[in-house]
Amino acid sequence: SAVISQKPSRDICQRGTSLTIQCQVDSQVTMMFWYRQQPGQSLTLIATANQGSEATYESGFVIDKFPISRPNLTFSTLTVSNMSPEDSSIYLCSVVFRGIGKQSLYNEQFFGPGTRLTVL
Amino acid sequence: QKEVEQDPGPLSVPEGAIVSLNCTYSNSAFQYFMWYRQYSRKGPELLMYTYSSGNKEDGRFTAQVDKSSKYISLFIRDSQPSDSATYLCAMSVLSKLTFGKGITLSVRP
Repeated sequence: SAVISQKPSRDICQRGTSLTIQCQVDSQVTMMFWYRQQPGQSLTLIATANQGSEATYESGFVIDKFPISRPNLTFSTLTVSNMSPEDSSIYLCSVVFRGIGKQSLYNEQFFGPGTRLTVL
Repeated sequence: QKEVEQDPGPLSVPEGAIVSLNCTYSNSAFQYFMWYRQYSRKGPELLMYTYSSGNKEDGRFTAQVDKSSKYISLFIRDSQPSDSATYLCAMSVLSKLTFGKGITLSVRP
């Protein structure tokens, strides 16, 4: 398993500002993901952050709004830019570890505790 | 149609009850089927996963997958107040997860 920490744990921000969320893992991992969890909605993948290459964004999410950095195998940041109240959500990072045992193709995914963002 | 549909909640049961949580899906490409548990103000934690049709048991929890009907279930036996949480079904193609909306379960002492 992995110990994943996120900073900040919560924040209240003003419309039009930006917030950078940090994700730190205690082990080196190849794949890291950023998710958004809005009230009453499914946990939704924003992008995949791979070390050494550009992040891959899902439909509906763009780099200008959610720039991601992945400087090494244990750390990533997600910035929420030019925020509006619609960006109020919980943002989570997750990492993948390859499962052990006979089901070796399965890549188990572990989640951080999340960052609770409120935009006024 | 959403790729993953999860029965809406919330769900409240007395301690000791058997709980059944259900999801349906539309994407035949999904390879792995998972249940995550999320306590308040915490990230989701993997509870169980399976990749084949049939049942998989782990203590009080049983995960059931029916690929022909595109239907998965999680059964909780002898439910405890500590089981009170939000349960999310998730399905994956390679490492990309698609989640249901989640259902909040409350187990009353």
